[in-house]
Amino acid sequence: AQTVTQSQPEMSVQEAETVTLSCTYDTSESDYYLFWYKQPPSRQMILVIRQEAYKQQNATENRFSVNFQKAAKSFSLKISDSQLGDAAMYFCAYQAGANSKLTFGKGITLSVRP
Amino acid sequence: DVKVTQSSRYLVKRTGEKVFLECVQDMDHENMFWYRQDPGLGLRLIYFSYDVKMKEKGDIPEGYSVSREKKERFSLILESASTNQTSMYLCASWGRREQYFGPGTRLTVT
Repeated sequence: AQTVTQSQPEMSVQEAETVTLSCTYDTSESDYYLFWYKQPPSRQMILVIRQEAYKQQNATENRFSVNFQKAAKSFSLKISDSQLGDAAMYFCAYQAGANSKLTFGKGITLSVRP
Repeated sequence: DVKVTQSSRYLVKRTGEKVFLECVQDMDHENMFWYRQDPGLGLRLIYFSYDVKMKEKGDIPEGYSVSREKKERFSLILESASTNQTSMYLCASWGRREQYFGPGTRLTVT
């Protein structure tokens, strides 16, 4: 069974600084997708970024980028120029192939210091 | 804009009550999901449905059932609520590239 591990329960970053959130996963599949979701306090979960495993290029979305290391089964999220609105819980998730089911990590709470 | 709505944001029920949590999506998605979210445990899949009247157990189906009579609506049922079912419940639907989530229902069973 696939597993997703987020080993850090909490992190803190100074506003305008850069922070990296870690995620590792375990799978025997060759075709899969990885996601980072953001859940702001009392608000809806939204997709931050998506990575296809067959793509070597790391996905980026504005201030958010990933470091995808397929051989190491590592998928970290980098947030540049952190803003107060980035404070949230972040979940790493895995999807096997075309299966729409996601396996989530336990999440990490990110706080941003003004 | 994609929209997933859940019938209640907050719900308080008594032990033994039958509880219905409803989820509606307006995107004509086939696949829908129910998760529960607990601190330190992340999101755990309870049930999912890939078509009307079709359902599959997720990782923690015990104590729950589901109903999908129409494509847009997916209901989670707690047949006899217990205190260990106090949790945040999230509904989601699959839109080819990502799951879209509802706002969640925080259920307290006393």
